[in-house]
Amino acid sequence: GQNIDQPTEMTATEGAIVQINCTYQTSGFNGLFWYQQHAGEAPTFLSYNVLDGLEEKGRFSSFLSRSKGYSYLLLKELQMKDSASYLCAVKDSNYQLIWGAGTKLIIKP
Amino acid sequence: GAVVSQHPSRVICKSGTSVKIECRSLDFQATTMFWYRQFPKQSLMLMATSNEGSKATYEQGVEKDKFLINHASLTLSTLTVTSAHPEDSSFYICSAKNSKGETEAFFGQGTRLTVV
Repeated sequence: GQNIDQPTEMTATEGAIVQINCTYQTSGFNGLFWYQQHAGEAPTFLSYNVLDGLEEKGRFSSFLSRSKGYSYLLLKELQMKDSASYLCAVKDSNYQLIWGAGTKLIIKP
Repeated sequence: GAVVSQHPSRVICKSGTSVKIECRSLDFQATTMFWYRQFPKQSLMLMATSNEGSKATYEQGVEKDKFLINHASLTLSTLTVTSAHPEDSSFYICSAKNSKGETEAFFGQGTRLTVV
């Protein structure tokens, strides 16, 4: 079967750095996405990785290792507004998005 | 980025009635739109994929006669929840992929449906 694993919840301090991991087992791979979702709102796109390596975009970076079936989202200089759920999703061989359950990130002052 | 508008954002309806949710791509043509539902503290569950001008493809376990999807134009898809029951109460989200083949799916704002 297809599976996306990410931690259920993480806590971090304002101004710090946090890394959210995602491991996947899917039938084929056509890219990995990270989304941010605030409570009661739809997800918003953060990043897309299809090749191995690190993609940096401002305070957020995303890393992919296809051989290990692994990705992480790195958030720097955390702000209170970063409190949200972070969803990892993989596009499989049929170009269908397979979603993780999301990681709830709690930022403390 | 591309804008997808979903309407209404919240709706309360009585059991047995039908509710229509609209999903519009405002600044691009969406050949493919996706409909998801999300229960509290759970991830998105794909309900169906709709392609403009053809019948929607429903995921296993999703009743196509209950969740009617119409994608009549390149900018509009609708989801109608027919004969709604309280267990249909959920957060429904649409997303759209543009005809250029760009890989990000753009999401609507979501619709909170409460059936009483």
